[in-house]
Amino acid sequence: NAGVTQTPKFQVLKTGQSMTLQCAQDMNHEYMSWYRQDPGMGLRLIHYSVGAGITDQGEVPNGYNVSRSTTEDFPLRLLSAAPSQTSVYFCASRRLGDRSDTQYFGPGTRLTVL
Amino acid sequence: AQTVTQSQPEMSVQEAETVTLSCTYDTSESDYYLFWYKQPPSRQMILVIRQEAYKQQNATENRFSVNFQKAAKSFSLKISDSQLGDAAMYFCAYNFGNEKLTFGTGTRLTIIP
Repeated sequence: NAGVTQTPKFQVLKTGQSMTLQCAQDMNHEYMSWYRQDPGMGLRLIHYSVGAGITDQGEVPNGYNVSRSTTEDFPLRLLSAAPSQTSVYFCASRRLGDRSDTQYFGPGTRLTVL
Repeated sequence: AQTVTQSQPEMSVQEAETVTLSCTYDTSESDYYLFWYKQPPSRQMILVIRQEAYKQQNATENRFSVNFQKAAKSFSLKISDSQLGDAAMYFCAYNFGNEKLTFGTGTRLTIIP
């Protein structure tokens, strides 16, 4: 049971490049989400999904796309990277409908956009 | 909009002493959950403790306990007998009816040997 996995762990991009951050979980969780963590800002929700084929925007969705074709995977796409997207990105998952349950977080991806 | 405020960006405590981290939140909901997460230098987010708003009894997990004041919308974390391994960023988080977690800005805790 690997929990929530994220790849890559580190990435450097040039402005305007595109890339996909991968996230997978093996706990059969319906709910998955992406956060970004910036100094002094805490974790802010980018996008989330309550099941395959269903996604919605969080607090800071601009510049990011997501899709959910399977229960296990929830990739985050940066279409045209900007320096303002330099951050640490976390994917998280949990069971739907049990708000007392913790979210299980991946190890994070540190992204630098030059 | 629901907000979570952690007014202490940094705290320090002597090893074996007790420290309290503050968290306040703003909500019009009556049914919600509150969490404290720990983020050590490894970056991994670890659940420390959770509290359901309807439960009057304060949650306790070993050396970690909360002081939940619902009317005041306050949810502080007390760490007793502080250990070097407690050094980390601590985030308060709030979860209400739409499944989403809202985080505070975090408190960096330093343990002084």
